[in-house]
Amino acid sequence: KAGVTQTPRYLIKTRGQQVTLSCSPISGHRSVSWYQQTPGQGLQFLFEYFSETQRNKGNFPGRFSGRQFSNSRSEMNVSTLELGDSALYLCASSIGTGAGNTIYFGEGSWLTVV
Amino acid sequence: ELKVEQNPLFLSMQEGKNYTIYCNYSTTSDRLYWYRQDPGKSLESLFVLLSNGAVKQEGRLMASLDTKARLSTLHITAAVHDLSATYFCAANTNAGKSTFGDGTTLTVKP
Repeated sequence: KAGVTQTPRYLIKTRGQQVTLSCSPISGHRSVSWYQQTPGQGLQFLFEYFSETQRNKGNFPGRFSGRQFSNSRSEMNVSTLELGDSALYLCASSIGTGAGNTIYFGEGSWLTVV
Repeated sequence: ELKVEQNPLFLSMQEGKNYTIYCNYSTTSDRLYWYRQDPGKSLESLFVLLSNGAVKQEGRLMASLDTKARLSTLHITAAVHDLSATYFCAANTNAGKSTFGDGTTLTVKP
């Protein structure tokens, strides 16, 4: 059974550009969440989606957006990139939103902004 | 606003010893997660704890939850080198919105 797949794995962007990251959850999983990890801020929650609806959003500026498609695949977009957006972006999926569901993480997308 | 504090942040242990990592959270949470992260890698789910008094064990790791004290612990028994990693706890509000601790970097020395 394939795990959570994130693409691209590594990318370098220039300040002011935008980036789109993709996440394919485990087959049958309908809940997808996104996280940002940086050395300075640690792990921070970005979004949670379930059945194409955003259920929760973290404390990030409007430059960070996301969506989920009918096949549960998800994308997140960051516009007008800043140096501080350099981070590991992690996607995770679970079967549903139940409290006891195990969360499975992808390998992450490493974004460097120069 | 939910805050999560882990301690210690760094832990150096000898193989065979026991130790405990503590995770305090500031407001009511409906679930508490423990994760492991190896250097340069993603997160691996270890445990999810839902109710007061919940205890879960996997190998040399045991996690517990005291919702009244807003405290979770991750106990390591007879540490081995393979347990060297960074361990995070996370508490949730609004169902899926997680707040993470700063992580505890564990180094197990022979």
